[in-house]
Amino acid sequence: EVHLVESGGGLVQPGGSLRLSCAASPFPFSNYAMTWVRQAPGKGLEWVSAISGSTGNTYYADSVKGRFTISRDNSQNTLYLQMDSLRAEDTAIYYCAKHDSLYDIPYYFDSLGQGTRVTVSS
Amino acid sequence: DIQMTQFPSTLSAFVGDRVTITCRASQSISNRLAWYQQKPEKAPKLLLYKASSLQSGVPPRFSGGGSGAEFTLTITSLQPDDFATYYCQQYKTYPITFGQGTRLEIK
Repeated sequence: EVHLVESGGGLVQPGGSLRLSCAASPFPFSNYAMTWVRQAPGKGLEWVSAISGSTGNTYYADSVKGRFTISRDNSQNTLYLQMDSLRAEDTAIYYCAKHDSLYDIPYYFDSLGQGTRVTVSS
Repeated sequence: DIQMTQFPSTLSAFVGDRVTITCRASQSISNRLAWYQQKPEKAPKLLLYKASSLQSGVPPRFSGGGSGAEFTLTITSLQPDDFATYYCQQYKTYPITFGQGTRLEIK
């Protein structure tokens, strides 16, 4: 069974930075694209960013482009989301998710972690 | 960007009822649509993909249909565990987009 564990959330001031991590096991992590999805309090799901498995191609929602950077360390089976210039509207639970595909294309998510909470407030 | 519109936004039903949720895409997405269930304080869980394929372990009372731009999620014989929020998601193109959700409540 796929296991995804997010960490790194917390309280940060507007304009600050935070780095989220997602530890993945026990599947061949480097083969699969991964995504970050977020959910603001009381709101729906919003796709944030994705990264392909081996090539490292990255994709971003317009709302975070230029401020967030997705990356992965395939040797450590870990996904990251570097969040800079944070705004109040970035307050959300952030979930990492595994694409059910070996290909570098948009896909659905067969597993999601339990999420890590990010609060941007002064 | 492809906009996904779900309706109704809230649905009240009894245990044992049959309910249908509709998801409409702003353009054709072929069958590149998934459905998720989310319970309070929990991560979303994949129910169906490719519009009508049931994810392993999901009860067969859940079914999906449609193609192109209009899709449905049907739950037959509602169980107490089914009362949750449901989201559709298109994966035809980036950015991936979700519907706004349908909250299924016990009547």
